[in-house]
Amino acid sequence: EAQVTQNPRYLITVTGKKLTVTCSQNMNHEYMSWYRQDPGLGLRQIYYSMNVEVTDKGDVPEGYKVSRKEKRNFPLILESPSPNQTSLYFCASSSILAGGAYNEQFFGPGTRLTVL
Amino acid sequence: AQTVTQSQPEMSVQEAETVTLSCTYDTSENNYYLFWYKQPPSRQMILVIRQEAYKQQNATENRFSVNFQKAAKSFSLKISDSQLGDTAMYFCAFSPFLNAGGTSYGKLTFGQGTILTVHP
Repeated sequence: EAQVTQNPRYLITVTGKKLTVTCSQNMNHEYMSWYRQDPGLGLRQIYYSMNVEVTDKGDVPEGYKVSRKEKRNFPLILESPSPNQTSLYFCASSSILAGGAYNEQFFGPGTRLTVL
Repeated sequence: AQTVTQSQPEMSVQEAETVTLSCTYDTSENNYYLFWYKQPPSRQMILVIRQEAYKQQNATENRFSVNFQKAAKSFSLKISDSQLGDTAMYFCAFSPFLNAGGTSYGKLTFGQGTILTVHP
């Protein structure tokens, strides 16, 4: 089954304790992205990747890191989490079509993170 | 930079009736895509409908249709014959075409969301 998986689905942690949220897709997609969802703000892009070893900042990258060492995986790293990073996080992926055409983004199930 | 605005934080409708969710956006791009996503209580993001800006014809998917007004930068979603399973948060979203530098590819800019409740 084609899917995007995220782990963990729920995480409660304390300020300053490094954590990683994993994201994996089995569709051989080039493009992957992380979003955070906050009430009243919708979803905002954190980082994205066009392919292996190619990553770039989205709208709200502060406090986050990513890596893309393999095509299927795109982990989100919080080196020193703070309470303002308490949020719902989504990973998404899509293939890249020529000529600027759009291909549907597939979203993971979300990770609910609470930083105390 | 693009912005997407959903001015209705909450809406409600009776089962079998029709409801329209509003969305406006701002962009200087001429070619782009617009979307409506549904997020039920399970939190899964589900693509409901997509509109290409270069197409004048409004997109339709079964009970879901859009009213796309490019000049007014308006993109509303109409749900006909509402069902209890339509209860969810709905997000309007914008994505540009791939630009020459490729830096905007795939980026979705979302509105704030509208919570829709369908009553029996």
